[in-house]
Amino acid sequence: QVKLQQSGAELVKPGASVKLSCKTSGYTFSTSYMSWFKQIPGQSIEWIGMIYAGDGGTGYNQKFKGKATLTVDTSSSTAYMDLSSLTTEDSAVYFCAREVGDGYDYFDYWGQGVMVTVSS
Amino acid sequence: DIVMTQSPFSLAVSEGEMVTINCKSSQSPLSSGNQKNYLAWYQQKPGQSPKLLIYYASTRRSGVPDRFIGSGSGTDFTLTISDVQAEDLADYYCLQHYSYPYTFGAGTKLELK
Repeated sequence: QVKLQQSGAELVKPGASVKLSCKTSGYTFSTSYMSWFKQIPGQSIEWIGMIYAGDGGTGYNQKFKGKATLTVDTSSSTAYMDLSSLTTEDSAVYFCAREVGDGYDYFDYWGQGVMVTVSS
Repeated sequence: DIVMTQSPFSLAVSEGEMVTINCKSSQSPLSSGNQKNYLAWYQQKPGQSPKLLIYYASTRRSGVPDRFIGSGSGTDFTLTISDVQAEDLADYYCLQHYSYPYTFGAGTKLELK
């Protein structure tokens, strides 16, 4: 069965960076699309960007350009998101989700989410 | 960016009632290539990730109870939950995946009356 397993909660200091992982199984990762999302508790969900595992091609929400960098490791079927220059406004739950189809499609499987807390 | 205006913000219901959640997009999410509306509905319970209910505006995901019904066209879409059960108490979001950046509605919280 399809599984997306995200790394554990992070507590990071302002100005630091953090790398989140999303390890997948149960489907062909190397020809799939993965997106990442941000959700501040009590608020709606924002789409950060997507990456095509086949060639590493990416698309970002302009709001998160320079903040998030998406990469993949096809040998381990894992997607990564680097968040840089963290501020308290980056404190949120971050999800990865598999995109169905060949892009511009809905998301059928999601990771469990990871809480990132930015605090000194 | 496509703005998704979702209403109401919250709904208080009793078990067995029917509820309707609305989502209006600032642009049509209709793909001219396949004539599908790129509009999905998700359910999210506290501490959990979103769960897909409906895709292409009206296609129910396998395993989702048939009391969840998606409808709509153009820029107006609706999620109807008939015979609400206690397990349906959650937040509901619409999502357009027609164009970047993908955007969600603000969410609707379904609560017990």
